[in-house]
Amino acid sequence: AQSVTQLDSQVPVFEEAPVELRCNYSSSVSVYLFWYVQYPNQGLQLLLKYLSGSTLVKGINGFEAEFNKSQTSFHLRKPSVHISDTAEYFCAVSDRDDKIIFGKGTRLHILP
Amino acid sequence: GAGVSQSPSNKVTEKGKDVELRCDPISGHTALYWYRQRLGQGLEFLIYFQGNSAPDKSGLPSDRFSAERTGESVSTLTIQRTQQEDSAVYLCASSLRLAGPTDTQYFGPGTRLTVL
Repeated sequence: AQSVTQLDSQVPVFEEAPVELRCNYSSSVSVYLFWYVQYPNQGLQLLLKYLSGSTLVKGINGFEAEFNKSQTSFHLRKPSVHISDTAEYFCAVSDRDDKIIFGKGTRLHILP
Repeated sequence: GAGVSQSPSNKVTEKGKDVELRCDPISGHTALYWYRQRLGQGLEFLIYFQGNSAPDKSGLPSDRFSAERTGESVSTLTIQRTQQEDSAVYLCASSLRLAGPTDTQYFGPGTRLTVL
């Protein structure tokens, strides 16, 4: 069965600095990868997803993620964060099974 | 159109009582998922419904947990003889499932369950 590891439970970053949130998944022949975001007091929403094709995926709010098959990673990046990016970010993976398995989440704290 | 709705938004119950949580998916969405999010934890998969297929119950933590879905509409998650460790936010999500597991899941606002 698939599994997802988000190595950092919390990441503090100064405003306007770059950020990388790490995600690794257990290997599989083919996978679909997702990042979801949960803003304070809001429900989860899709940030971006990798299905196939280009390994660099661009999402909403200036985020992007790169699928690295050899390292089984799908790290999320943003070149310059804003206070509004304060949220919890969840990496998720699915293979040919129907379930999507979520990681434990990473809380992004933006420091002024 | 309307998103995924869940009720109640908050539920406080006493240990040992049964609770029923409701999820109304987006109209036309054939797939429905239940997750549990404990304080400081990630999303824990509970159960998955897809059309008329048998549900995937592999995530249910014990036989006190059960869920039903009527056709492709409302789903209810029932927790019998609640325990304090059942306290969590219970999230429901739905998706079209036309293209397999690649479809975006749309989440409801959740039900916050507190077991005293």
